Amino acid sequence: ETGVTQSPTHLIKTRGQQVTLRCSSQSGHNTVSWYQQALGQGPQFIFQYYREEENGRGNFPPRFSGLQFPNYSSELNVNALELDDSALYLCASSLAQGNIQYFGAGTRLSVL
Amino acid sequence: QKEVEQNSGPLSVPEGAIASLNCTYSDRGSQSFFWYRQYSGKSPELIMFIYSNGDKEDGRFTAQLNKASQYVSLLIRDSQPSDSATYLCAVNVGPPSGANSKLTFGKGITLSVRP
Repeated sequence: ETGVTQSPTHLIKTRGQQVTLRCSSQSGHNTVSWYQQALGQGPQFIFQYYREEENGRGNFPPRFSGLQFPNYSSELNVNALELDDSALYLCASSLAQGNIQYFGAGTRLSVL
Repeated sequence: QKEVEQNSGPLSVPEGAIASLNCTYSDRGSQSFFWYRQYSGKSPELIMFIYSNGDKEDGRFTAQLNKASQYVSLLIRDSQPSDSATYLCAVNVGPPSGANSKLTFGKGITLSVRP
């Protein structure tokens, strides 16, 4: 176990809806990164949060947004869901002073 | 050209054999390299990281890095059926001690170890 917890574990939404995914980082870790993993693919970087600010973003549209809270936990919000958003969403935490990332169990999102 | 490529696979080896997993990357500025193992339906689990050219050994696992050839590999000695999983290569352009650590992953290699 990495100590990174994500909720919920599974989620089913319909196209056009909005979703919020949550992540609690490992104790002592102040940096949270989010990844999207489609079936049969490697994870793709969405964005990273450090000290409550976005600290790097991948090639994802603005309808993917996030937050980091003072306790270093984080949320990923996706608006106007599309069928292609169906994927495993992974949260990873790390120390700002080091780049080793540890993943949570993920949230599997299905968009119908 | 994809940034991180893992082209060989799926890979099937008999129990007790050496499994060799390969990965190439395109960004010459890459400084940190990681191997994650992912069981079906689970999240990636870090098994090795390497920053310097050469070999790094941890138990049955050896990571090999050649920055001149932009090549990183993972050797698994005495392969066990429990090693059957997808192995993801990940690369970070940032330094080992820095923030802004975006990982770029390959699509993974599926390893099957036959009893």
